[in-house]
Amino acid sequence: DAEITQSPRHKITETGRQVTLACHQTWNHNNMFWYRQDLGHGLRLIHYSYGVQDTNKGEVSDGYSVSRSNTEDLPLTLESAASSQTSVYFCASSAGNSPLHFGNGTRLTVT
Amino acid sequence: AQKVTQAQTEISVVEKEDVTLDCVYETRDTTYYLFWYKQPPSGELVFLIRRNSFDEQNEISGRYSWNFQKSTSSFNFTITASQVVDSAVYFCALGPRAGNNRKLIWGLGTSLAVNP
Repeated sequence: DAEITQSPRHKITETGRQVTLACHQTWNHNNMFWYRQDLGHGLRLIHYSYGVQDTNKGEVSDGYSVSRSNTEDLPLTLESAASSQTSVYFCASSAGNSPLHFGNGTRLTVT
Repeated sequence: AQKVTQAQTEISVVEKEDVTLDCVYETRDTTYYLFWYKQPPSGELVFLIRRNSFDEQNEISGRYSWNFQKSTSSFNFTITASQVVDSAVYFCALGPRAGNNRKLIWGLGTSLAVNP
């Protein structure tokens, strides 16, 4: 069955370190998204991509970057982790305007 | 402004009770989609339903039903004869029919606890 895999599931890092969260999908979807989920804020879009070599900023992109070198992967990099980036991160994908399929999430703690 | 309001932050029911989760939205778009997603304690977000704005027919899927009323800008979700496995956070979302999901507006979620 097709799926989206996020790794790691849990990560603890220190302030100032660079962190990369992996997202791999086997749906063959062109569209991929990164969200963060925080109490009181719901789901907020960080970055998205509509295809290989395409990346776009979402509403909370500061401090994050993504790259899309193939269809399957959209890694999310925190250039210099900050405590405000402690959150649960979700990767999602879709074909066109079809509903999003989500990964299981990565819980990131920045100490 | 586009907005999704889930006024019920937390709901607690006893197994076999019926429960309705409310979703009220605001949009200036004439065509749009509405969604419900489920987030069980394990954490993943699971798609439940997408409703097109021009289709106001109610939808039923097993114990789940959805009532879409454009006149009140509401898309409510009812679970009949609730079960412990229904315990989860439920999110309502609004999105334009075009835009490849980049403009989805999410509610803050309703946490449902179904107690045995």
